[in-house]
Amino acid sequence: HLLESGGGLVQPGGSLRLSCAASGFTFSSYAMSWVRQAPGKGLEWVSAISGSGGAIYYTDSVKGRFTISRDNSKNTLYLQMNSLRAEDTAIYYCAKDRPGTTFDLWGRGTLVTVSS
Amino acid sequence: DIQMTQSPSTLSASVGDRVTITCRASQSISTWLAWYQQKPGKAPKLLIYDASSLESGVPSRFSGSGSGTEFTLTISSLQPDDFATYYCQHYNSYSNTFGQGTKLEIK
Repeated sequence: HLLESGGGLVQPGGSLRLSCAASGFTFSSYAMSWVRQAPGKGLEWVSAISGSGGAIYYTDSVKGRFTISRDNSKNTLYLQMNSLRAEDTAIYYCAKDRPGTTFDLWGRGTLVTVSS
Repeated sequence: DIQMTQSPSTLSASVGDRVTITCRASQSISTWLAWYQQKPGKAPKLLIYDASSLESGVPSRFSGSGSGTEFTLTISSLQPDDFATYYCQHYNSYSNTFGQGTKLEIK
């Protein structure tokens, strides 16, 4: 089970931190990702982090602005989003990686709206 | 960067029809491809991974095929619950790319 929180309305240039609480599996054993979906649009992968946190990846459009992290003692994934832009408006999903393949568990998503 | 292109963007079909959705990669991706189903207001649901492996619990009317640059998702006999948007996804250890989606509508 994955449950995102932390979304909301923020002004352009502002910051927001998303959280994803995991349960029902050994959190530290799995890589995790954030995937977003702008209103009425398709899916866009944002960032991924390995189980230990030692490997981190971002899509080009968020590099230098977003930071993914995890606290395995709290079974929680985070996404710190700074310098937010209107085009970052989306539902943000956290997703669990199945080793060697793809996302086999998704949260329900949290809506981030960047607007003045 | 690898680009994933789905066709068609919209597909109208009837219950009982056999339908096929195509996904093309801009370069060879072996079989690192998944298919998802998404319904309005819901998170995506994994249907197929590794191009042709059926996810546990997914009905056998769904099947995937292909390798390299061309892939297909086939629904052998459409059911009312299948009308949704379908996405292909290329995955590897450091990146993921989704197709733009195919909306399957009731004719």
